[in-house]
Amino acid sequence: GENVEQHPSTLSVQEGDSAVIKCTYSDSASNYFPWYKQELGKRPQLIIDIRSNVGEKKDQRIAVTLNKTAKHFSLHITETQPEDSAVYFCAASGDSGAGSYQLTFGKGTKLSVIP
Amino acid sequence: DAGITQSPRYKITETGRQVTLMCHQTWSHSYMFWYRQDLGHGLRLIYYSAAADITDKGEVPDGYVVSRSKTENFPLTLESATRSQTSVYFCASSVSGSNTEAFFGQGTRLTVV
Repeated sequence: GENVEQHPSTLSVQEGDSAVIKCTYSDSASNYFPWYKQELGKRPQLIIDIRSNVGEKKDQRIAVTLNKTAKHFSLHITETQPEDSAVYFCAASGDSGAGSYQLTFGKGTKLSVIP
Repeated sequence: DAGITQSPRYKITETGRQVTLMCHQTWSHSYMFWYRQDLGHGLRLIYYSAAADITDKGEVPDGYVVSRSKTENFPLTLESATRSQTSVYFCASSVSGSNTEAFFGQGTRLTVV
């Protein structure tokens, strides 16, 4: 099955600096790569996603890049703010066989933005 | 977000007891998932379902049973609870399994004593 590795596990940045979180995946058939943000005690929520036919996608201060050849994708947050502090999860989705799809997550990155 | 709900929110049970966690969605999404979240392990897939009466094992299915007789419900049963099953459980749903956002329930914190 799919295996998603995520680094780093913790990340501290000064307010206003950029943060980068990197993920690799193992299954070349995966074609959908979402990123979720989970605030303390709350449910994970989608912040951005990218599909395999796109190399980069941007939404205000958040961007995601995908390198299908190398099987890795990254989340970039610019001009970080204290409210960006949370746990971020990357995920990969692809055909798990017999036409059904799994959504496999990385282990998460705890981002702390220091005011 | 109110479209997918889990119950109960908190549960304490004893080792060896059977316990069922409920998940209900109002969007008629085809796919539903059960994850467990543990510190250091992220979100691990237990079971998923592509449609009513179709279920598949995920990464950590041992000790769990699921059913999906109706599209909107996807209960997760721990047949004989163990302390290692103490965790936060999240249910999620998506329109289709590929290329679509998964929406999560609010989670169930289960403690096995």
